[in-house]
Amino acid sequence: EIVLTESPVTLSLSPGERATLSCRASQSVSSDFLAWYQQKPGQAPRLLIYAASRRATGIPDRFSGSGSGTDFTLTISSLEPEDFAVYHCQHSDGSSWTFGLGTRVEMK
Amino acid sequence: EVQLVESGGGLIQPGGSLRLSCVASGFTFSSYSMNWVRQAPGKGLEWVSLVDATGAYAYYAKSVRGRFTLSRDNSNNMVFLQMSSLRAEDTAVYYCAKGGTRWTYFDSWGQGTLVTVSS
Repeated sequence: EIVLTESPVTLSLSPGERATLSCRASQSVSSDFLAWYQQKPGQAPRLLIYAASRRATGIPDRFSGSGSGTDFTLTISSLEPEDFAVYHCQHSDGSSWTFGLGTRVEMK
Repeated sequence: EVQLVESGGGLIQPGGSLRLSCVASGFTFSSYSMNWVRQAPGKGLEWVSLVDATGAYAYYAKSVRGRFTLSRDNSNNMVFLQMSSLRAEDTAVYYCAKGGTRWTYFDSWGQGTLVTVSS
C-alpha cells in the first residue's frame, strides 16, 4: 500500500505570502491519481486539485498543483485569510484510496 | 448544486451495529461511484468504502473489510453503510463523498455524521 507523507506538518505564514506544501509517495505513482483537498475546522473537505495539476470547479487560480513520480506540490501563490486551513493529499490505485496526514497552514 | 446529506450516526456500544444513510441530489446519481470517508477526532482522513455506479462492485479498507457493507439504491438516490462489530477505533465523523469522473478522487462531500463507539 502506498503511503503519502505530507510536509511540513505545520506552515506558519502571513496573508499575501506564498505557501508551498509537499506530498511524497512511498513509491512512484501516476500523477493522474493524485488529488488535494482543503479542510477548515468543523467542515467537510473540499476538492482543490485532481490529476496532480487540474483545478476543481470554482477553485481560484492562486491554487496550483504540480509534480510527478513520488513528489507532488500544492502551491498557494498569495495567501488569502480564508486559505488558512488543513490541506490533505490523496492517492488512488483503483481499488484503495489513501490520504496523507495533512499540513496545517496557520496564520503567523 | 450537488448535495449530500448523511444520517444515522450516534452513540453505540462496542460490538453493536449501525446503518448510515446518505441521500444525494443535484446530479445524475446512477452515473457516479459513491464513497464513505471517515475522520477520527483530531486525526486525518481515512477512506472506508466505495460502491460503483451500478452497485455491482464495492471496495473496502482493510480496517473495515468483513464488518462493513456498502450498498446503494439508485431509484431513491441513496447509499447505505451497514456497520457491524463496531469497535472504539471506528469512532469518527463519517462523510459521504461523490466519486469524480474517474474513481480517483472525491469531488463533493456531505457535512458528515458522527459515530461514537463507547460503553
